[in-house]
Parts: sequence; structure tokens; C-alpha cells
Amino acid sequence: GESVGLHLPTLSVQEGDNSIINCAYSNSASDYFIWYKQESGKGPQFIIDIRSNMDKRQGQRVTVLLNKTVKHLSLQIAATQPGDSAVYFCAETPTHNYGQNFVFGPGTRLSVLP
Amino acid sequence: DVKVTQSSRYLVKRTGEKVFLECVQDMDHENMFWYRQDPGLGLRLIYFSYDVKMKEKGDIPEGYSVSREKKERFSLILESASTNQTSMYLCASSPPGGGYTFGSGTRLTVV
Repeated sequence: GESVGLHLPTLSVQEGDNSIINCAYSNSASDYFIWYKQESGKGPQFIIDIRSNMDKRQGQRVTVLLNKTVKHLSLQIAATQPGDSAVYFCAETPTHNYGQNFVFGPGTRLSVLP
Repeated sequence: DVKVTQSSRYLVKRTGEKVFLECVQDMDHENMFWYRQDPGLGLRLIYFSYDVKMKEKGDIPEGYSVSREKKERFSLILESASTNQTSMYLCASSPPGGGYTFGSGTRLTVV
């Protein structure tokens, strides 16, 4: 597969441990945020989203936390599994009525150790 | 589930060729986008479209053009391919105010 990012920050975790991936954003007008997962050779896949009227949102094994004061977003993965190994991107946008352009973070590579 | 299909997974083209990258989505989304993804640079927006026959430049439109004649199809055109356009190209679609669904990507190599 292709290399998504040769110079990405990397997070290595033991299988079964919890993972926390962080993202700082810069646009204070951003009010909609998404986390994407990209496995080698594939396009990014939606994991979870959150709007600015919330601080926390939970999905299956994943939780997104939003701190608007310091413009920080995090993705928590519970009981990390080998299939979670991928590059994770945060994306932000100010929501418009008809469309929006997301700005993507540089990504973090998650490696799950056996 | 929304499906975004990019016609080619891998392409090899020669410098100076005109290259067409095709993207089709099957959920009647208004918005479609073309990004390129490069190591160390992340995802960069080339062009986007909010409606048929409508197009807007993204952050790096130079050397590219697009066509959206039908709602479901958004084509990216490299007018005269150059080696610095070797990259992974990702198409995405979204409903108004919603998140993106991405295609699987096209890995283009220009030699």
C-alpha cells in the first residue's frame, strides 16, 4: 500500500490499552469536527463527529472530546485492537447552509503492538 | 451506505498527457470535492462543487480543472500532467452541512 504520511507523529499502544489521539485546530469559527481513519491503500473513513454545542460524544469504543476554549479535539479509542492500526485525521469546518470545506489536520499514525 | 467510486486505483501517465480522474457518488449528494494527499503535506483541497455545473477553486487549483455535468459525477482534469502531480487523489461527497464520504483514492504516477 501507499505511504499516507512519512513524517507523521506516531502513537504506539499495546493491544487492549486505551489510545488517545490529539488534534489542535486554529479556526475559532469552526463548529463541526470529524475524526477520520485511513488504513493503508484506502480512502479516509468517517469515525465520529461532534458539533460545537457539545463537549463529548461517544460511539462504539470511541469517544471524541472537544475543548473550544483551547481549540483542542481528542479521539479516545477503548481497548485498542490490531484493526485500529491506521492514520487518524481530525477535520474542522465552520458550517454553512449549503456546504462546507473541511480543513484536515496532518494526521497521527496509530500502531497497535501485540 | 453512500458509495463514492473512483474509476482507477492506479494510473501511470506520461508528462504532458491530459489526464481524467473520474468520481461517481450514488447518494444524490450536492457537494463533491477533489483532494490530493502527499506525505508530510496531508490532504489539500484542489477543487469543489456545490451543484451541477458549479465549481470553486480550493487551495491548490493550479494545473487542474474540473467538470460537473451531472450531479453524481465530478471529474478532475490534469491539462498537461507534470511529475509534481504524482500523488494520491481522493474524491469525496457530502450532503449540505454533513461530513465527507471518501472514495478509495487514485494513485497517479506521472513519468
